[in-house]
Amino acid sequence: DARVTQTPRHKVTEMGQEVTMRCQPILGHNTVFWYRQTMMQGLELLAYFRNRAPLDDSGMPKDRFSAEMPDATLATLKIQPSEPRDSAVYFCASGLVPEETQYFGPGTRLLVL
Amino acid sequence: DAKTTQPNSMESNEEEPVHLPCNHSTISGTDYIHWYRQLPSQGPEYVIHGLTSNVNNRMASLAIAEDRKSSTLILHRATLRDAAVYYCILRPLEGISSGSARQLTFGSGTQLTVLP
Repeated sequence: DARVTQTPRHKVTEMGQEVTMRCQPILGHNTVFWYRQTMMQGLELLAYFRNRAPLDDSGMPKDRFSAEMPDATLATLKIQPSEPRDSAVYFCASGLVPEETQYFGPGTRLLVL
Repeated sequence: DAKTTQPNSMESNEEEPVHLPCNHSTISGTDYIHWYRQLPSQGPEYVIHGLTSNVNNRMASLAIAEDRKSSTLILHRATLRDAAVYYCILRPLEGISSGSARQLTFGSGTQLTVLP
């Protein structure tokens, strides 16, 4: 049963520290999305990749967030330096163009103290 | 972007059908209607999608109004495991070569409570 995996599942860190979240998309999928979910804002898109190329990262704070896909099996989202307002659940999703369905991972729950 | 309107919450009894409504009066002709749900402490999960005709799959049915300004997600027999937030999302059909984001724009959804 193919699934999107994310690590770590939980992360507690102190303000100013670097945070790296990893996502393994479903094998063969050619799109990857990063979303962030908070109680106040709900689910928001941070970044979108197609065939490993970043196509849209307009939802991401550029000064501290970065997203990459070193290879087709790994997507990373980094926050440096982290701030308390970054506390949220971060979801990765993958899909296959031109199909429309997105498959979400279990999320990384981040708490920045 | 075309928006959707859903009730904040609904309740259903176990093993009874549930009809979750969604209004999308500004839908365009190329907008697909997607439904996702999010169970507690999990990522969103695809449920069903359609364009004009009613759709059925193993999870649910989607009934689309003739004018496409509203739709209804139907769970034929609700179980306790169906308790979740259900999101109705409009997504335009775009070409494969389009570079624009293919994100899902989530609203606040409908919190479904299933009573035993």
